[in-house]
Amino acid sequence: QSVLTQPPSASGTPGQRVTISCSGSSANIGRNTVNWYQQLPGTAPKLLIYSNNQRPSGVPDRFSGSKSGTSASLAISGLQSEDEADYYCAAWDDSLNGWVFGGGTKLTVL
Amino acid sequence: EVQLVESGGGLVQPGGSLRLSCAASGFTFSSYAMHWVRQAPGKGLEYVSAISSNGGNIYYANSVKGRFTISRDNSKNTLYLQMGSLRAEDMAVYYCATGSGSYYYYYIDVWGKGTTVTVSS
Repeated sequence: QSVLTQPPSASGTPGQRVTISCSGSSANIGRNTVNWYQQLPGTAPKLLIYSNNQRPSGVPDRFSGSKSGTSASLAISGLQSEDEADYYCAAWDDSLNGWVFGGGTKLTVL
Repeated sequence: EVQLVESGGGLVQPGGSLRLSCAASGFTFSSYAMHWVRQAPGKGLEYVSAISSNGGNIYYANSVKGRFTISRDNSKNTLYLQMGSLRAEDMAVYYCATGSGSYYYYYIDVWGKGTTVTVSS
């Protein structure tokens, strides 16, 4: 059971906009920023969004993040087949004094 | 370019020990916290352990506390994870990752490709 809650799956067609939610508590998302990671099949995770809505260099602006209260969202616009991957949210947890992850959302491009 | 190369994974019997290493290059290793994150087969990411840039602060998940020891050698740009009393539930791909600052509450940035630990008799 993950500390952060994500839907196990999401899907969309090419060109569509998809959002993935991440729900936490006052100990983690409520007090700290949220990061998102993309894990393509058979590869290591890659930082996609940090500090709620910042994109590292090289990440397309089709990817965006937001946070409100104890929840966060990742939005992917102009969906492409290469976006098919697992997506994880993460936040620092002040109670555990460590990082917590969501269970991951498998995105399928139909 | 930041590179992290894990090694030391393999097959070990329940109750056995293994030491993982992570060789870092392309950045000032001694300035950044480092992390170990694992992923069991078909499962999500689990945060395992972290160490601050100077080694003065260390974190362990409850699931590994007392069995795993994280350390770093800044002169060799290398991170370690000594794993003992291994259990079936420790079987996973272990990823080494950089922090984005000297303390481990800064976001986890670049990840290595991982090394696989198999626990089986």
